Amino acid sequence: NAGVTQTPKFQVLKTGQSMTLQCAQDMNHNSMYWYRQDPGMGLRLIYYSASEGTTDKGEVPNGYNVSRLNKREFSLRLESAAPSQTSVYFCASSVFGSFGVSGSSYNEQFFGPGTRLTVL
Amino acid sequence: ELKVEQNPLFLSMQEGKNYTIYCNYSTTSDRLYWYRQDPGKSLESLFVLLSNGAVKQEGRLMASLDTKARLSTLHITAAVHDLSATYFCAVDTSGSRLTFGEGTQLTVNP
Repeated sequence: NAGVTQTPKFQVLKTGQSMTLQCAQDMNHNSMYWYRQDPGMGLRLIYYSASEGTTDKGEVPNGYNVSRLNKREFSLRLESAAPSQTSVYFCASSVFGSFGVSGSSYNEQFFGPGTRLTVL
Repeated sequence: ELKVEQNPLFLSMQEGKNYTIYCNYSTTSDRLYWYRQDPGKSLESLFVLLSNGAVKQEGRLMASLDTKARLSTLHITAAVHDLSATYFCAVDTSGSRLTFGEGTQLTVNP
């Protein structure tokens, strides 16, 4: 069980270049997420996919696009990279559980190893 | 807009000492998560807190949730060097999205 995997681990781009970050999970999770992590800012959600076939914007979607290729894979594309997109990118997937009499849901997320992207 | 604030952001402590990290959030939620991140690594799930008064313990770490005060705490007992890491709390208000705090960078000195 590999969990959540991401490729590549490191990438250097020049301003204006494009690239796709790949993410896959083998835990049969329905939901997948893309975050970026910048110093002093925690993790910020870029896009997420609650289930196969759906995607939604998060907190910082500008400059990014996503594709939920199938249940296992969720890719993040930078069409024209900018220095402000220099960051560490994490993919996550989650299993929804329910608890209590009311069956309220919860959403524990599991993270991939990250991609360190530098845009020059 | 949901705000999640952790304090302190930086914590340097001696081995054997106790300390508490605080996570305050600005809107109603009864689901909160704690994660640990080692330098250069990914995030690892530590605790899932799902109701008011929930308390979870693992080794020297204990997490609690007070939904009325919109506050979670992560208490460290008799710290050891291996606990050095960055700790994040994350609040779940929609069932599908988490909002993370800035993280608390903990350094435990011998």
